[in-house]
Amino acid sequence: QSALTQPASVSGSPGQSITISCTGTSSDFDYNSVSWYQQHPGKAPKLMIYDVNNRPSGVSNRFSDSKSGNTASLTISGLQAEDEADYYCSSYTSSSTRVFGGGTKLTVL
Amino acid sequence: QVQLHESGPGLVKPSGTLSLTCAVSGGSISSSNWWSWVRQPPGKGLEWIGETYLGGSTNYNPSLKSRVTMSVDKSRNQFSLNLSSVTAADTAVYYCARSEYGSGSPYYWGQGTLITVSS
Repeated sequence: QSALTQPASVSGSPGQSITISCTGTSSDFDYNSVSWYQQHPGKAPKLMIYDVNNRPSGVSNRFSDSKSGNTASLTISGLQAEDEADYYCSSYTSSSTRVFGGGTKLTVL
Repeated sequence: QVQLHESGPGLVKPSGTLSLTCAVSGGSISSSNWWSWVRQPPGKGLEWIGETYLGGSTNYNPSLKSRVTMSVDKSRNQFSLNLSSVTAADTAVYYCARSEYGSGSPYYWGQGTLITVSS
């Protein structure tokens, strides 16, 4: 299956903004269907963004995303300690399958 | 509030079949949503296994397709995953999930269940 590539780790200080990229290696991806998940250790993933910059009810507007070409990016503004977690992008494909990126560990310094 | 709960054997022998069930409460398995399975090997990332819609349409990860079967039991309001010919590489936390928005990304998740493949 084609891959979505994310940086292994990013870090930032409280109050700062960080961006996590998600780059597709194939034209199979529907970049309008990219979703982002947050996962704390030992917990199930939590949907933070779906279908490019749509937030489920209850998700802070500090989380936003954007798309440029074959890269989607998640931005977290006003970093808080509780944002420290693993983040995964996901996309639907033209083969009617879904794929996750490899995940990015966010450290709040 | 939709709640999902996975149940399974915990330990499966190599070459055997892994069978998991996801019990759904607070919603109907017959609703117009995608019902998914996702797994996560210890210390590693998420892997999409497959999904089913209204118990009819199913989509599977191409790398697992030859070994995976998903089904829906409307009478018990649950759905199931069977993964055959398992090896140690199939050791993972297995999550069931349901979509809620848009293009069907999983939104409601179970708490996950660890399945270990070992003799």
